[in-house]
Amino acid sequence: NAGVTQTPKFQVLKTGQSMTLQCAQDMNHEYMSWYRQDPGMGLRLIHYSVGAGITDQGEVPNGYNVSRSTTEDFPLRLLSAAPSQTSVYFCASSRPNYGYTFGSGTRLTVV
Amino acid sequence: GNSVTQMEGPVTLSEEAFLTINCTYTATGYPSLFWYVQYPGEGLQLLLKATKADDKGSNKGFEATYRKETTSFHLEKGSVQVSDSAVYFCALSGSNDYKLSFGAGTTVTVRA
Repeated sequence: NAGVTQTPKFQVLKTGQSMTLQCAQDMNHEYMSWYRQDPGMGLRLIHYSVGAGITDQGEVPNGYNVSRSTTEDFPLRLLSAAPSQTSVYFCASSRPNYGYTFGSGTRLTVV
Repeated sequence: GNSVTQMEGPVTLSEEAFLTINCTYTATGYPSLFWYVQYPGEGLQLLLKATKADDKGSNKGFEATYRKETTSFHLEKGSVQVSDSAVYFCALSGSNDYKLSFGAGTTVTVRA
C-alpha cells in the first residue's frame, strides 16, 4: 500500500549513542518532515524538506540532522542521544493543498 | 507566528453523547485548517480539512466549520461511539506554506 514507512518501530539507545531513523514515501510527495510527539505538547517540527537536496530547521532541531538525497527518503539522524530525546517520532509527507500522510511512528527511549 | 490552541482534555463521554472540541488559531493571511485523529498505538490520520473561510469539513460523522471572524475550527460529532476514542489534534498550515502547526491534542474516551 502507498504511504509513509518508518523504521524501526521501537528503539532503545544508551546516552551518547548515534542512530538513524528511516523514512520513505512512495507517493512522489515534494514535502517531507519529522515531528516529535511528547505528552501535553502536541507535535513539534524538527526538520523539513521541500524537495531533494533542500532541508531546513523546524522548532526543535538541536541534536538532529537530516538529508534529502532522493524524493523518496528522508532519514533523521541523532548525533549523540540524550534522555531528553526520548519521544515518539513521526515522519510525514505532503503535496500542495493536501493533508499530510504520516508514518506509524518510532518510539525511542534513551537511557 | 502561527499557533493553535485547543481544548484541554481528557474528555470522557458516554456512547451516543455529543462531542465538541474547541480549537482557535492565530495566523496571518488565510491558513488551511485540519483535524487529525490518532488511535492508540498508531500514527496520525487526516480526519477533515477546510481551506477557506466558511468551508465545512466533514468525515465519519465529524464536522468542523472554518470561522474566520472568530478564528475558530471547532470539531463536533452528534453521537459518539466507543470506536471514536482517540487523541484529536487541530492543526493549521499558513498561506503558501507546507508546514503544519499543531495544537496539544485532546484525548477523548467514550464509554459504552
